[in-house]
Amino acid sequence: GAGVSQTPSNKVTEKGKYVELRCDPISGHTALYWYRQSLGQGPEFLIYFQGTGAADDSGLPNDRFFAVRPEGSVSTLKIQRTERGDSAVYLCASSPGPGGTYGYTFGSGTRLTVV
Amino acid sequence: QKEVEQNSGPLSVPEGAIASLNCTYSDRVSQSFFWYRQYSGKSPELIMSIYSNGDKEDGRFTAQLNKASQYVSLLIRDSQPSDSATYLCAVPANAGNMLTFGGGTRLMVKP
Repeated sequence: GAGVSQTPSNKVTEKGKYVELRCDPISGHTALYWYRQSLGQGPEFLIYFQGTGAADDSGLPNDRFFAVRPEGSVSTLKIQRTERGDSAVYLCASSPGPGGTYGYTFGSGTRLTVV
Repeated sequence: QKEVEQNSGPLSVPEGAIASLNCTYSDRVSQSFFWYRQYSGKSPELIMSIYSNGDKEDGRFTAQLNKASQYVSLLIRDSQPSDSATYLCAVPANAGNMLTFGGGTRLMVKP
């Protein structure tokens, strides 16, 4: 696609529920990143993929968070047993190569609210 | 020490003035640097990248890099109210495969 697409744009869920957030990167971009941003803070790294594999998942806060990119394109971030502290904007970004060289293009984000 | 540090602001400047936004970083081996603009309620947008010491100009924007001092800045000339946003500095991490972001500086340009 022309840009990075994230769905849904907003998600309200009850504490304890499971949620999936989807990211469709720019066509041909091999690197895909997930970040989380709380109000007044910069984006916080969660995980990145090079192709199909998770190259670095060191930013995932705990084992309730998991992400996949099975065919090297679309990625899904999965959060189990959601907690109120998970409320944030989840940003996906993609890059044609190493993000530190090319920079990223971000999607419009998914605002997750856990009530 | 945080990897990327920015003054959170807000930085308030009058319309037409020069806005100067600053960023320091801790990793001496970083080779490339990025500035993102983020409007309220929107996602970050890449506006400038700089790879070499010195200045890089793009329209009203100038990025300045001093690797010896581990310092990168963004100057906005002839500031406009539409420049009011949060500006995020980003620095490579993990052998250049990803970016680490500062907390951002909120800029307010007053008519």
